[in-house]
Order: sequence, then C-alpha cells, then structure tokens
Amino acid sequence: KNEVEQSPQNLTAQEGEFITINCSYSVGISALHWLQQHPGGGIVSLFMLSSGKKKHGRLIATINIQEKHSSLHITASHPRDSAVYICAVRFGNDMRFGAGTRLTVKP
Amino acid sequence: ETGVTQTPRHLVMGMTNKKSLKCEQHLGHNAMYWYKQSAKKPLELMFVYSLEERVENNSVPSRFSPECPNSSHLFLHLHTLQPEDSALYLCASSQVLTGGADTQYFGPGTRLTVL
Repeated sequence: KNEVEQSPQNLTAQEGEFITINCSYSVGISALHWLQQHPGGGIVSLFMLSSGKKKHGRLIATINIQEKHSSLHITASHPRDSAVYICAVRFGNDMRFGAGTRLTVKP
Repeated sequence: ETGVTQTPRHLVMGMTNKKSLKCEQHLGHNAMYWYKQSAKKPLELMFVYSLEERVENNSVPSRFSPECPNSSHLFLHLHTLQPEDSALYLCASSQVLTGGADTQYFGPGTRLTVL
C-alpha cells in the first residue's frame, strides 16, 4: 500500500468548473508538495505546505495535519489546466509520491 | 523553463552499454536529486545530494551510479541496465535551508529505453 493516496485517479471536467483533488498520507511529514506534470514529462512545483492554506492565482491548496489530508482546488478550470497533478510528502530524508490524478478539462 | 536542464532528452541503449545522464542547474541551489518515473508507477526518489555530499541512497541497484562534481552538476552513470529500467529520469534541485522545507525545481527529464 502506498503511503500517499490520491483521489480521484482520473477527472474530466468542463471548462469553468471547480476542481478538487484529494491526497491522504499515512506518515508524519515535514512538508507536502503539489506538483503538476504536463504531457512530455515536465514537472512544475505548485505548492509546498506544512500547515494551513496557500493560494496562487486560481489554485488553492489546503492541508490538515491532524487528519493527514490535503486538497488541491482549481477555480474556473481551463483546458490548459489539463495535466497530471501529483501529491508528494516529505518525511525525514525521504519523499514519497502519490500515483497522480489525471485531469482533463474540456472546452 | 525552470532553470534545470537535462541531457540527453531521449536515450536508447542496449543492456551491455554504458551511458551517462547529465543534469545542470542554473539557480544557485545547494541540493540536487535524481528521480525515476516508470509507466503506471509513482515517482521514486533515487538519490539526493546536499552540499555535494550524497545524503541518501534509497536502495537503488548498483547499476545506477550518481556523481555530483559540484553544486551545479549532477550525473547518473548507467551500466548493464535491464529492460525494466526503462523510464523517465528526472533531475531536480532545491535550496535547502536549516530547519526548513524546500521547493524543488524539476528538469524536463530523460526518456530512457533499454533494449
């Protein structure tokens, strides 16, 4: 069983919809990362969280340390948001990754 | 463009070949990482170098050998690989601060195929 579980695995939305991707983890962590991977492989770091909430443009990330859960929200989704979103947790000197959520936003 | 470059972008090699992957970061960071992304599997952390010293080796097979000659360059030397080693190999860098967590910047990856 992976220490990092993401849901859903695949998500299709219409342009403009509000998107939520969830991440649960089973170990104590020092930080949680949300990453975006576009076709072709390039990865961009979206957020690094250790508590609370962060917002960047249309993206919002929250974390609940007690419940070991984080969510990534996308408001007013756009086709260019189509990508794989990956949750990663850091504990000690190690990092573990979720399997990713493939998001497709249709025009 | 994240400031982390990787070469080559694509590599096909036989099981008896020796090749090297190169990563270079132009961000002034003090830590560099190698990751492996296989089809249908989550990303895996392979090696970490912080301040040019290897911090961890997550039980990666010895046919993968990292080298970090300075804080800007990282290599992954490959020899006698197996077909199951075919994957996307990603390099990342970050600025590690004492007591703090760091944001990693990823390169575009090298798509490796082992025949």
